[in-house]
Amino acid sequence: AQRVTQPEKLLSVFKGAPVELKCNYSYSGSPELFWYVQYSRQRLQLLLRHISRESIKGFTADLNKGETSFHLKKPFAQEEDSAMYYCALSRISGYSTLTFGKGTMLLVSP
Amino acid sequence: ETGVTQSPTHLIKTRGQQVTLRCSSQSGHNTVSWYQQALGQGPQFIFQYYREEENGRGNFPPRFSGLQFPNYSSELNVNALELDDSALYLCATLADNTGELFFGEGSRLTVL
Repeated sequence: AQRVTQPEKLLSVFKGAPVELKCNYSYSGSPELFWYVQYSRQRLQLLLRHISRESIKGFTADLNKGETSFHLKKPFAQEEDSAMYYCALSRISGYSTLTFGKGTMLLVSP
Repeated sequence: ETGVTQSPTHLIKTRGQQVTLRCSSQSGHNTVSWYQQALGQGPQFIFQYYREEENGRGNFPPRFSGLQFPNYSSELNVNALELDDSALYLCATLADNTGELFFGEGSRLTVL
């Protein structure tokens, strides 16, 4: 069975501090991994996916198949990064059938 | 603006009743999926439709059913409502050209 684990419910940092939101997964095949973000009073939206290898809003995430992890990182957090972050996986070519983690709330204080 | 709209935004039902939730999307979004998000949890996949046919289902009982229409709209129906069905129900549509999934704002269902 596929599973996504986000061990932290809440991560609180100061502005300018580095951020790492952890995500571990279990899946028997070759999944595609995503990070979704939900800002206050906004809908869930895609932040990045591992296959595109992009950096969005300063965030990056590297897929580590050995450790089955897909941690989200940003070197210098900004207040506007405060949001709920969800890690998700799907089977390749099944982008709409996602398995989500429970989410991590990131709070960036001034 | 993602073009995915859901209705109603909020509704209250009692146990045993039936509910229909609606979603509308746009041209080029031929795949629609529905998710249930309970409080404090991540979204959980219910099922998916492509060109009006169900082609994927999560671990939900048959009383959760759906329809997709040619005009890029869809419905989620839940029969015999239970208290645990109280949740935010999210519709998501897949852009055929980019493979990106776009979510609606959700319908919040409360079952009393």
